[in-house]
Amino acid sequence: GEQVEQRPPHLSVREGDSAVITCTYTDPNSYYFFWYKQEPGASLQLLMKVFSSTEINEGQGFTVLLNKKDKRLSLNLTAAHPGDSAAYFCAAGTGGYKVVFGSGTRLLVSP
Amino acid sequence: NAGVIQTPRHKVTGKGQEATLWCEPISGHSAVFWYRQTIVQGLEFLTYFRNQAPIDDSGMPKERFSAQMPNQSHSTLKIQSTQPQDSAVYLCASSFPNERLFFGHGTKLSVL
Repeated sequence: GEQVEQRPPHLSVREGDSAVITCTYTDPNSYYFFWYKQEPGASLQLLMKVFSSTEINEGQGFTVLLNKKDKRLSLNLTAAHPGDSAAYFCAAGTGGYKVVFGSGTRLLVSP
Repeated sequence: NAGVIQTPRHKVTGKGQEATLWCEPISGHSAVFWYRQTIVQGLEFLTYFRNQAPIDDSGMPKERFSAQMPNQSHSTLKIQSTQPQDSAVYLCASSFPNERLFFGHGTKLSVL
C-alpha cells in the first residue's frame, strides 16, 4: 500500500527565512494530496488540497509543489514568521476515503 | 456546524483499566477515522468506517483495541486493559469521499 515519507522531522528557521518540508510517496495512483497544520494543543487544520493535475499551488505565504515524476510533494514557506511554528503533515490519497499521512514535521520559527 | 466532537478531552486511567473514547462526526459525512498521535510515532492510522461499516482496521492493535459505529452520529474507540504505552492523543476525523478530513480536537489519554 501507499507509504508517505516526510522530511525533516524537525526544522528550525529564523523569521523571514524560507522553510521547506518534503514528502515522497510510493503509490503512482495517488492523485490528491493534503497539507495540514497543527498548532500546539490544537487539532489538524487543512492548509491546502492539491490535485495531481496541478504542479504549482500558491497559498497565503506558501507554495505547494508536486513533482509527479519523482512522486514528491513539498511545502515551501516563503518568509516564515513565528506564527508558522507548528507541526505540518502531508497526506496522499488514491481515491475513496482513506489517505496516508506522513509522520509530520515540527517547525519552529524564531524571531 | 460544531465540527467533529470528541469526548472527553482528557482521560486518565490506571494501568489495566478500560478507556472508552467518543466521537461525533460532522452530520452527513460518510466516513469516520480514528488516528493515534504520539511524539515518537507521529500520526498513526487506526481504523475507519464508511457509512457505519468497518472498512479498514489495519492499524488497530489486534488485542485490547476495538472500535464501533453503532449509528451515524457517533463512534467509539475502546481500549481494554490500558497500558502506559497506550498514552497518546486519539484523533477522530470525518469526511466525504475524496475530500479533506475534518479532525476533532482529540482525546488525550494518560495511562498511569
